[in-house]
Amino acid sequence: QLVLTQSPSASASLGASVKLTCTLSSGHSNYVIAWHQQQPEKGPRYLMKFNIDGTHTKGDGIPDRFSGSSSGAERYLTISNLQSEDEADYYCQTWGTGIQVFGGGTKLNVL
Amino acid sequence: EVQLVESEGGLVQPGRSLRLSCTASGFTFGDYAMSWVRQAPGKGLEWVGFIRSKTYGGTTEYAASVKGRFTISRDDSKSIAYLQMNSLKTEDTAVYYCTRVGGSYQGPFDSWGQGTLVTVSS
Repeated sequence: QLVLTQSPSASASLGASVKLTCTLSSGHSNYVIAWHQQQPEKGPRYLMKFNIDGTHTKGDGIPDRFSGSSSGAERYLTISNLQSEDEADYYCQTWGTGIQVFGGGTKLNVL
Repeated sequence: EVQLVESEGGLVQPGRSLRLSCTASGFTFGDYAMSWVRQAPGKGLEWVGFIRSKTYGGTTEYAASVKGRFTISRDDSKSIAYLQMNSLKTEDTAVYYCTRVGGSYQGPFDSWGQGTLVTVSS
């Protein structure tokens, strides 16, 4: 079964960096994922699609502070030079034959 | 600029029906699959279903929670995607988002609408 697992929460200080993790279920370690950001009281926004070859396709206007990486079944979203507006929920998403899946989301607090 | 605008949701009684529409602009609508995602109050994102482009037969897929009750369709001449919701349950209460799929068959949700609230309650 295709499942994405995310930690419920994370925190980091203003100006620091944070690395959020999304883990693919067993047997799905080569899947492509996408990251989405949802700021408080707003709709989600597409951040990027991350390919296992390390390339990524970002959404319009997404700053260079947001980057993706991977190791095995883990996919990472790194946000550098944290800003107050980065305080949000972050969701990973993947897809398979006839199905789309979201992770449970990580709530990022910027201290 | 890609824009997706959902129609107004509203309050509907359990067991009744509601149709949402999503009007798209800023891209060649017929070239893309379209999807619906919902978010119950205080919860995470849940995929509802999607419809592929006509290139792939306009075929549809649904989450188990809505299969048999919800139907997605599209009118490429008007750049509109629809979500027909029948036999609504209280657990269908959520903000419903229209999304563009980054491809004609499958892919990431690369654009989102602003969302519309559907409340199912007696």
